[in-house]
Amino acid sequence: DTAVSQTPKYLVTQMGNDKSIKCEQNLGHDTMYWYKQDSKKFLKIMFSYNNKELIINETVPNRFSPKSPDKAHLNLHINSLELGDSAVYFCASSYSAADTQYFGPGTRLTVL
Amino acid sequence: SQQGEEDPQALSIQEGENATMNCSYKTSINNLQWYRQNSGRGLVHLILIRSNEREKHSGRLRVTLDTSKKSSSLLITASRAADTASYFCATPGDGDDKIIFGKGTRLHILP
Repeated sequence: DTAVSQTPKYLVTQMGNDKSIKCEQNLGHDTMYWYKQDSKKFLKIMFSYNNKELIINETVPNRFSPKSPDKAHLNLHINSLELGDSAVYFCASSYSAADTQYFGPGTRLTVL
Repeated sequence: SQQGEEDPQALSIQEGENATMNCSYKTSINNLQWYRQNSGRGLVHLILIRSNEREKHSGRLRVTLDTSKKSSSLLITASRAADTASYFCATPGDGDDKIIFGKGTRLHILP
């Protein structure tokens, strides 16, 4: 019974392509997040949604577009992928902002 | 920035020894959290300590919080190989609408 799941686990693609990462949580949480972890392991928040509404957009290029069809799902679509987008992307959820967060296993994105 | 900063950046100790890592932050906080990340995995929450608490225990973990010094420490006693991981502290951002992670301490337990 995975609490926060992400697909795919690995994504290898060419520069310029468009790709999506999906996230689902079965914890009944209201808040979901996307984080980017770079090669130096620095974890930076990208977006947060509360009950399907965008709460945080941390100066992320608008090539990145999150979508929350319902409060259990938060997907991330990336257009025109660039080399610098290569990273591990983590989805997380919590009952409320600044509360304990539960992380998915991550999606390792490699842009060639 | 509210980002906590862990110290040391990396730590190697023998199995069975205690490991201590520290986190310093800049502004007042309501709580501070510690997370663990095993290689290739997502972060796992370890402990949340509130600003009115000085110390908290969970199994072999002990967390302290000194709000006057704006610092926290995570002590892992009797370390095991499975404790090899990166450890992050996290503090609430301005407005408490998010948490901000430090850069982490990479802990390596030697057999």
